[in-house]
Amino acid sequence: QKEVEQDPGPLSVPEGAIVSLNCTYSNSAFQYFMWYRQYSRKGPELLMYTYSSGNKEDGRFTAQVDKSSKYISLFIRDSQPSDSATYLCATSQGGSTLGRLYFGRGTQLTVWP
Amino acid sequence: KAGVTQTPRYLIKTRGQQVTLSCSPISGHRSVSWYQQTPGQGLQFLFEYFSETQRNKGNFPGRFSGRQFSNSRSEMNVSTLELGDSALYLCASSVSGEQYFGPGTRLTVT
Repeated sequence: QKEVEQDPGPLSVPEGAIVSLNCTYSNSAFQYFMWYRQYSRKGPELLMYTYSSGNKEDGRFTAQVDKSSKYISLFIRDSQPSDSATYLCATSQGGSTLGRLYFGRGTQLTVWP
Repeated sequence: KAGVTQTPRYLIKTRGQQVTLSCSPISGHRSVSWYQQTPGQGLQFLFEYFSETQRNKGNFPGRFSGRQFSNSRSEMNVSTLELGDSALYLCASSVSGEQYFGPGTRLTVT
């Protein structure tokens, strides 16, 4: 079993829709949770970085972590065609292993005008 | 502030050869991590260097190695290349856990 599971999609939504992206993880020791966006032929771009459970909002993006169910979510409000990319969730245990991230396989999102 | 840079961006090698990839982190970042990205396996952690020392290592064979210099620049080396080593190799630098990725080096092994 992979440490982080993510539905690869693809997910296709109309412009303006609310997008929900999700991951589950298996190791309860994971403390740090991230979402990255990766455009084709580019490196991943850090969108959200959270510690432990709770919500974090940044503009149109909201990240949620529920450690009791080992569930990570990213919501995108008022989605735009420029949001079309692959979204990757990632986790880390922290401490001396903070530099080791475990990634989901990524969800490919298309927002059509 | 300049981002993470990686050189070269594209590389074609023959099976059995070796290759060295370079990564320059964001100024002030002392941690550099390397990842391999393939369509089949996604992003997999190779190793992390901090202050010239390997701090974490993933589950890759010994053909994959790396090092970090005093200016935090890092290199990774793959010896005896195999066809399965074809991938996008990404490095990321961080200062407090938030990892910022470079554009990657796309390695093709023929």
